Amino acid sequence: DAGVTQSPTHLIKTRGQQVTLRCSPKSGHDTVSWYQQALGQGPQFIFQYYEEEERQRGNFPDRFSGHQFPNYSSELNVNALLLGDSALYLCASSLFGQGDTQPQHFGDGTRLSIL
Amino acid sequence: TQLLEQSPQFLSIQEGENLTVYCNSLSVFSSLQWYRQEPGEGPVLLVTVVTGGEVKKLKRLTFQFGDARKDSSLHITAAQPGDTGLYLCAGSPLWAGSYQLTFGKGTKLSVIP
Repeated sequence: DAGVTQSPTHLIKTRGQQVTLRCSPKSGHDTVSWYQQALGQGPQFIFQYYEEEERQRGNFPDRFSGHQFPNYSSELNVNALLLGDSALYLCASSLFGQGDTQPQHFGDGTRLSIL
Repeated sequence: TQLLEQSPQFLSIQEGENLTVYCNSLSVFSSLQWYRQEPGEGPVLLVTVVTGGEVKKLKRLTFQFGDARKDSSLHITAAQPGDTGLYLCAGSPLWAGSYQLTFGKGTKLSVIP
């Protein structure tokens, strides 16, 4: 039973560039959430996708956008990269309808470094 | 201001010792989750506490949800090197949407053999 898979594992970009990160949810899950984890911090919620729509968004600028595909996989796009965007980007999947206690299954993340 | 405050931020103990880490908030949560994250990996869910005053045990780990559902604690008995990692608490406050999971900064635990 495949868990959450993310690609790539590491990425180096320069300021101003654009990046796309990919996530395949755990088998049977239909909801994908994205988090940014800066060094020494806990993960911060970026947004969540269900039924190919953004369901809720955290406090992140419009440079951060996403997409969910019919097979439930998801992409996170970041435009006009800033040095402060350097972080571990985590994808988590869950099953819609479990309410507040829905367990999140996390991938191992993409380490993004901005030079 | 962090919605979920975790303490201590760092903890280094000898194998066999007991420890408690805390997760506190001014907000009420419908539930709180505890995760452990190891270097280079994503967080792994340990437990979800839902009812005020609830106590859950997972082998040597004991989790408690405060009566007012504003705080939680994690107690580890006879810590082992395999317990080393970043312990994160997370939840959705009642005033926010159910889908937005908020994390604390975590407690980084090192258990020395």
